[in-house]
Amino acid sequence: QLQLQESGPGLVKPSETLSLTCTVSGGSISSYDYYWAWIRQPPGKGLEWIGNIYYSGSTYYNPSLKSRVTVSVDTSKNQFSLKLTSVTAADTAVFYCARHGGGSFDFWGQGTLVTISS
Amino acid sequence: QSALTQPPSASGSPGQSVTISCTGTSSDVGAYNYVSWYQQHPGKAPKLMIYEVSERPSGVPDRFSGSKSGNTASLTVSGLQAEDEADYYCSSHEGSNNWVFGGGTKLTVL
Repeated sequence: QLQLQESGPGLVKPSETLSLTCTVSGGSISSYDYYWAWIRQPPGKGLEWIGNIYYSGSTYYNPSLKSRVTVSVDTSKNQFSLKLTSVTAADTAVFYCARHGGGSFDFWGQGTLVTISS
Repeated sequence: QSALTQPPSASGSPGQSVTISCTGTSSDVGAYNYVSWYQQHPGKAPKLMIYEVSERPSGVPDRFSGSKSGNTASLTVSGLQAEDEADYYCSSHEGSNNWVFGGGTKLTVL
């Protein structure tokens, strides 16, 4: 069974860079059929798509976040990563990684809360 | 990128049916059959319930069904059960390999 697990600091200072990694197990990140996604959810609020990456490195980003987001992939480690620069309190959220295929996000990680605070 | 519009809340009694709407535009919901629905219980990750407007993943009860008309997609839960109480989110492709979610609907089983 495919599993995804987010990891990274739970606390980041304002103006710094948020960095998270998603480790995929039970399947290959190099699958032709799927993209890999980051999605966030501020406390008490809805879901927001951040971006997708293909195993080849092709990326697609939410236009509202594009200037601050970088998603990368490491196929040798079966991982993909998120960097979000110049964070503010508004970036505090639970961050999820997910598999994206056929127009839907079909497997999700458990999520990790990242708080932006000094 | 604007979020798809969902009612903040919906409710129904056990055994009844409830429908949740998801309204977009001719550039997203109306343009593509890539509408999906997710169920999220408190403190848990979202779970895919419907994909490609009306398809159910393996393991999702057939009480859950999806449809679309024009720029509005709908999720219907029939034979409501207590465990269906959760937040529900729709999602759609909006072109240029971008994806958008709805604001979410809190479903209460009375």
